[in-house]
Amino acid sequence: DTAVSQTPKYLVTQMGNDKSIKCEQNLGHDTMYWYKQDSKKFLKIMFSYNNKELIINETVPNRFSPKSPDKAHLNLHINSLELGDSAVYFCASSLRQGFPYGYTFGSGTRLTVV
Amino acid sequence: QQQVKQSPQSLIVQKGGISIINCAYENTAFDYFPWYQQFPGKGPALLIAIRPDVSEKKEGRFTISFNKSAKQFSLHIMDSQPGDSATYFCAASRGASGSRLTFGEGTQLTVNP
Repeated sequence: DTAVSQTPKYLVTQMGNDKSIKCEQNLGHDTMYWYKQDSKKFLKIMFSYNNKELIINETVPNRFSPKSPDKAHLNLHINSLELGDSAVYFCASSLRQGFPYGYTFGSGTRLTVV
Repeated sequence: QQQVKQSPQSLIVQKGGISIINCAYENTAFDYFPWYQQFPGKGPALLIAIRPDVSEKKEGRFTISFNKSAKQFSLHIMDSQPGDSATYFCAASRGASGSRLTFGEGTQLTVNP
C-alpha cells in the first residue's frame, strides 16, 4: 500500500481550464501539505492542513483552492490554469502540526499547461 | 529571500568517493534539519535528519555534520555508489511554524561507475 498517493500522475491541459489533483494518505497522520516543485526543482510549500483545518496558506494565487474532506485526504483545485502553473505538485503528510519528523511525500503530479 | 542555501548545484563523483553537499541557513529558530533524496519521477524521500543539539549524526554511509555557530550543515556520502545518483535537498523546519519545510535549491549528484 502506498503511504501517500496522488492522482493523476500526469495532467496535460489547456490554458483557462479548471483541474483537480487528489491526495490520500494511509499513515494516520494529522497534517497534510501541498508543495510545488518548479522547473529548476525548487520545492516550496503552498498549503498545510491539520486535521481538516487550514494552517499554512503561502502567497499562492486565489485560483488555487485546497480542500480537506477528512484528515486522510487533501485535494487541490486550480481554476483558470495559466502557463506558469506548469510544475510538479507534491502532496505530503506528517504526524501532526509542529512535529515535522517523518514527513512523507507522494510521487507527485506533473501538471503541464499548454 | 532564500532562507536555506545549498551548494553545489551539481556534483560528479567517482564510485567509492566521498560526496559532500553543503547548506547554510539564516533563521536561528530552525530546529530540525532533514536531508531528502529524490529520484526522477519520484517524490523526495527522507534520508537522514538532525537536531541542533547534536553536531553529527551517522546512518550507514550517510553523515550529517552540523555547525550551529556557523549556521551550516552538510551531508557526507561515503563510498558513493552509482545508485546514489539522485537530487539531494537539504531542508529546515521550525516546529512552531506548523511543520513547513524550507528547502535548499537541490544538488544533482552523479556517481560514475
